[in-house]
Amino acid sequence: EVQLVESGGGLAQPGGSLRLSCAASGFTFSTYEMDWVRQAPGKGLEWVSDISGSGNFIYYADSVKGRFTTFRDNAKNLVFLQMNSLRAEDTAVYYCARGFPVWIMGSGSYSHFDSWGQGTLVTVSS
Amino acid sequence: EIVTTQSPATLSVSPGERATLSCRASQSVRSNLAWYQQKPGQAPRLLIYGASTRATDVPARFSGSGSGTEFTLTISSLQSEDFAVYYCQQYNDWPRTFGQGTKVEMK
Repeated sequence: EVQLVESGGGLAQPGGSLRLSCAASGFTFSTYEMDWVRQAPGKGLEWVSDISGSGNFIYYADSVKGRFTTFRDNAKNLVFLQMNSLRAEDTAVYYCARGFPVWIMGSGSYSHFDSWGQGTLVTVSS
Repeated sequence: EIVTTQSPATLSVSPGERATLSCRASQSVRSNLAWYQQKPGQAPRLLIYGASTRATDVPARFSGSGSGTEFTLTISSLQSEDFAVYYCQQYNDWPRTFGQGTKVEMK
């Protein structure tokens, strides 16, 4: 059974830092993209970041580019979101999600989010 | 950035009735579109991927259709457990984008 468990959320001051972790189990971790998606209180879902299985390809939303860094440790089945220069608008529940690839002939693979963690709450406030 | 727009924002439906939710992309995403269901206090759950393929264990009353820029999620006969918020998401291009959600509430 696929399991994703986030941790590391909490209260941070504006301008501060937090590191989120997502522990994965139940699948061959290194062969899957992993994503971070967040949800501000009472709002919709916002994609944050994607990291390829190897860790060589990483993508970010413009809203976090230059402030957040995603990396992974395939030996420990962990993916991380290092959040620096935090702002009040970063307050949200942060979910990690597995990107499940579907290969389309002639186009490559495209990944939807087939499994999600339970989320961890990040609050940025003074 | 591809903008995904869902309509309506809220859909009031009686149990047993059909619900039809729409999602429009600002440019073609081919069939690289997914639908997720989210209940209060829970993580999103994958319902549909590839615009029309049901995920594992998703009941047959859920169906997806469309390609390019226009997509539809249909719930053929609403059950009590289907009242929730539904999001579409394109994964054809970066950045990945979600619609703003459609809340399906009991009439």
